[in-house]
Parts: sequence; C-alpha cells; structure tokens
Amino acid sequence: GAVVSQHPSRVICKSGTSVKIECRSLDFQATTMFWYRQFPKQSLMLMATSNEGSKATYEQGVEKDKFLINHASLTLSTLTVTSAHPEDSSFYICSAKPGQGVHEQYFGPGTRLTVT
Amino acid sequence: AQKITQTQPGMFVQEKEAVTLDCTYDTSDQSYGLFWYKQPSSGEMIFLIYQGSYDEQNATEGRYSLNFQKARKSANLVISASQLGDSAMYFCAMREGLYNFNKFYFGSGTKLNVKP
Repeated sequence: GAVVSQHPSRVICKSGTSVKIECRSLDFQATTMFWYRQFPKQSLMLMATSNEGSKATYEQGVEKDKFLINHASLTLSTLTVTSAHPEDSSFYICSAKPGQGVHEQYFGPGTRLTVT
Repeated sequence: AQKITQTQPGMFVQEKEAVTLDCTYDTSDQSYGLFWYKQPSSGEMIFLIYQGSYDEQNATEGRYSLNFQKARKSANLVISASQLGDSAMYFCAMREGLYNFNKFYFGSGTKLNVKP
C-alpha cells in the first residue's frame, strides 16, 4: 500500500519556539494532504487541508497564523507550529489520498509534540 | 449534528469470538464513502475496510466485514474470530463526495479490548 512518512516522530520544545513537522508521500503524488490533531483518548480533529501550490484551507477555530502549512511539492507538506505553548502539546497526524482510483486515506505515523 | 456517531466508548470481547462495533452516519449526499480505521497504542492509523454508498454488497476484508444498512445510515464493523492483537481504538469515518480534496469526518472511536 501507499506509504506516508512524518518527521520527527517525537519532539520536545520550549514555549515560544517554533516547530516544523514534515509529511511526505513516499510512493505516490498527493495534490491534497490533511493535517489532524489528536488529544489523548479522543478522536482525530481535522485542522486543515493542504493544497499543493496554493493556500491551505483551515477548519473553523484553527489559527492560520499559528499553524502554518506549506505544501511545497506533490510529495511534501509541512506544518509549522509557531510560538508554541504547552496547550499545543498533542499528537499531530497527516494523511494523503493517492489518487482518484483509491478510496482510502493513508496516514503518517504521527508526531508527538510536547511543549515545556 | 454529528456526521459520524460511535456510541460504544469501550467494548470487551473474548478471544476467538466475533464482535460488532457500531457506527451511524449523517449525510444528504448521494456519493459518499465509509471507512474503518484501527489505531493501536503506537498511534498509527491503519486502514481496515471501505464501503461505497453505491456498493450493494457488504464489504469484506479477511476477518473484517462492514454491515452496511443504507436506509438506517449505519455502517457497523464486524470482526470475526477476535485476536489479542485486535485490541485497539477503532474509528469509523466518512467522506462525502469522491474527490481527493473531500475531507474525512471521524467518529469518537471505540476502544476494543480482547480478553484471553
């Protein structure tokens, strides 16, 4: 099946710093990628839809200036958490859909962000 | 209104027995897809099974089957012959429409514990 990678898998940073998370589709091209956030024992919450070559579409309540998304190529999307605070600590997961002939989304392994 | 509802926060099943995880959905679209994902404690999201709104037969994938009742808007997951490795969170999801950029809606999840 299609493979999506994320880097880093875990990151600890101090309050006020920025953290970049990369999401790559390894064996397919993805014009659209999705970024989710998951709190412990809760469901996935869609943060934004990342579109290659254009601006991301953010869900209601997600701060665009805090969670910067860049879809630089057909295989790479990045999420930058700017001026991180402890409440930004969470599990961030990206996903991508390989193409029109494939129905399911493939998920990256996730990034555990801890802000101290 | 919730797009996806999973009413069972937790379930227990004896090893080798079958278990049904409930999922109901809400949409006015004619074209949609229903999905089940498994999330073990490691955090990765593993695709299990897909059912399209136009599919007349219930989807099956090995020990997984999807009991699709369109009129009732339900898409229950049936796991036959449960194994200890099936212990995980299970999420039901829906995508309205057929395009790559159509986002997924996730339910709140069901934590399945398989007892030896």
